[in-house]
Amino acid sequence: DAGVTQSPTHLIKTRGQQVTLRCSPISGHKSVSWYQQVLGQGPQFIFQYYEKEERGRGNFPDRFSARQFPNYSSELNVNALLLGDSALYLCASSLWSGNNQPQHFGDGTRLSIL
Amino acid sequence: AQTVTQSQPEMSVQEAETVTLSCTYDTSESDYYLFWYKQPPSRQMILVIRQEAYKQQNATENRFSVNFQKAAKSFSLKISDSQLGDAAMYFCAYRSAVQGIQGAQKLVFGQGTRLTINP
Repeated sequence: DAGVTQSPTHLIKTRGQQVTLRCSPISGHKSVSWYQQVLGQGPQFIFQYYEKEERGRGNFPDRFSARQFPNYSSELNVNALLLGDSALYLCASSLWSGNNQPQHFGDGTRLSIL
Repeated sequence: AQTVTQSQPEMSVQEAETVTLSCTYDTSESDYYLFWYKQPPSRQMILVIRQEAYKQQNATENRFSVNFQKAAKSFSLKISDSQLGDAAMYFCAYRSAVQGIQGAQKLVFGQGTRLTINP
């Protein structure tokens, strides 16, 4: 079975642009979470979505938004890109939204801002 | 807010020997989960081991075991018989076990420890 898939693998943007990152969860998984991992640091929680509704939000500005589709895939959008948005963006999925559910991570999207 | 601290940015060990990675955390909650994740250069975050705070027994997964000291808020990872494939970044992470909260699956990560295995 396919794991969590993220696209694109690597993306280069310039300051002020907008970007959309995509995540397909493991088949049957209904909960998706997004994390930002700046180089040399641990991942930081951005969003959790379950059944197409936002179930949690981390301490990120409103330039960051996300949504989940009926097939449970998800998109992360970042507007007005800043140099500090350069990071690895990780997606994780699980069957349900509960905190006892194991999460499975994708390989991430490396976003570089010039 | 919960915090997780890994005080060892880098560690190295000889192949086949044992190494211990340290992690401390801060929380006011009594029920929670603790995790160790491994992140090789391929970037995927891989779960190594998980501990439920209500369990006194330390978790073990083959060559990986933890020393969970709840009162001291300490959660170290011991890797026995180190192998070249164990080389990676290791992250300690915390998740609340409080039911019904927003962002129930939020993981709080430490800064990571880079583990090198010397042949």
